[in-house]
Amino acid sequence: AQSVTQLDSHVSVSEGTPVLLRCNYSSSYSPSLFWYVQHPNKGLQLLLKYTSAATLVKGINGFEAEFKKSETSFHLTKPSAHMSDAAEYFCVVSPPSGGYNKLIFGAGTRLAVHP
Amino acid sequence: KAGVTQTPRYLIKTRGQQVTLSCSPISGHRSVSWYQQTPGQGLQFLFEYFSETQRNKGNFPGRFSGRQFSNSRSEMNVSTLELGDSALYLCASSLGDSDSGNTIYFGEGSWLTVV
Repeated sequence: AQSVTQLDSHVSVSEGTPVLLRCNYSSSYSPSLFWYVQHPNKGLQLLLKYTSAATLVKGINGFEAEFKKSETSFHLTKPSAHMSDAAEYFCVVSPPSGGYNKLIFGAGTRLAVHP
Repeated sequence: KAGVTQTPRYLIKTRGQQVTLSCSPISGHRSVSWYQQTPGQGLQFLFEYFSETQRNKGNFPGRFSGRQFSNSRSEMNVSTLELGDSALYLCASSLGDSDSGNTIYFGEGSWLTVV
């Protein structure tokens, strides 16, 4: 069975400093992995997606994530945080086959950005 | 291009009643999936429809049902509402032409409160 574990429920950074949101996945096969962001009282917005092409994936708003099979990790990073990045972030896995659009979500990491 | 549209955005129901939520996918998308988001359980997959057929189902009781119409619009229904059904219900759409790794787009959700 596939699963994702987000290692931090809350992360707090200062504006202009780097962001690191950690995610480990569990899968018997090479999965599809995603990061979504949810701003307060909003739906989910796709930040980036990994589907076994390049291991370093660039997303929107300056975010990127690196797929590391040896570490079963898919951590999300951004070089410099902006106040507008404050939101909840979800690491998501999609089963390698037959899962269609059945996404499995991590518990989420709430990112706070301080001036 | 319009995004995923969900109606109603907010609703309050009484225990024992039923509710129907509606979702219009992005034009050209044939797959619609539904998710429930609660503070305690996080984001959980309910079901997915493709070309009017349920293709995948999560672990929810039979009180939760859905359907998809020929124009790809979808509805979900919850009968005999319980207090624990209070949640944000998110609809998502995708092309659905791959059994894994589809890019999935979410609506802003329908907030259901059961009193």
